[in-house]
Amino acid sequence: SQTIHQWPATLVQPVGSPLSLECTVEGTSNPNLYWYRQAAGRGLQLLFYSVGIGQISSEVPQNLSASRPQDRQFILSSKKLLLSDSGFYLCAWRGVSYNSPLHFGNGTRLTVT
Amino acid sequence: GESVGLHLPTLSVQEGDNSIINCAYSNSASDYFIWYKQESGKGPQFIIDIRSNMDKRQGQRVTVLLNKTVKHLSLQIAATQPGDSAVYFCAEPGQNFVFGPGTRLSVLP
Repeated sequence: SQTIHQWPATLVQPVGSPLSLECTVEGTSNPNLYWYRQAAGRGLQLLFYSVGIGQISSEVPQNLSASRPQDRQFILSSKKLLLSDSGFYLCAWRGVSYNSPLHFGNGTRLTVT
Repeated sequence: GESVGLHLPTLSVQEGDNSIINCAYSNSASDYFIWYKQESGKGPQFIIDIRSNMDKRQGQRVTVLLNKTVKHLSLQIAATQPGDSAVYFCAEPGQNFVFGPGTRLSVLP
């Protein structure tokens, strides 16, 4: 069966520090991969999605970037964190069909101080 | 892309009663819809989906209704339990997979 791993679960970082969040998927090939951010009590904001290695689409201009160095690995990064980058970051995958559900990881709670 | 919205941001229901969470969508060409449940501190979990060639689909204690004429989707939870307390999102999958703002369901003892 397919599983998705996301780490770390929680992270506290100072303003101006770099960020790297990693997500990996097992049990499937060529998944579509997604990064979402969720502010407290709010909905899900799509940040990036990828349909293949090295292919990244950005939905929101921001202080973040994403990379997909391997088929089942998706990384969210920042060179210098801002206070506004705090939030709950969720990685998700789905199959190649657009008519298929997303499967989410357990998320990373990021607090920028 | 098109977005999916919700009528009610919060819903409080007595334990044992039925819950109905509503959702409006804007893209009349949409042919697939999904409901997710998100508990506090966790990622959203798939509940049930429905394709546009259906009006109704039932799962365990949950039913999704689709009214394509008015572009409306609803999630019904029978005999609501404390464990049903969560935020519920409807979603319209497309390339970007955009979610609506969500409805928080609170189950009262």
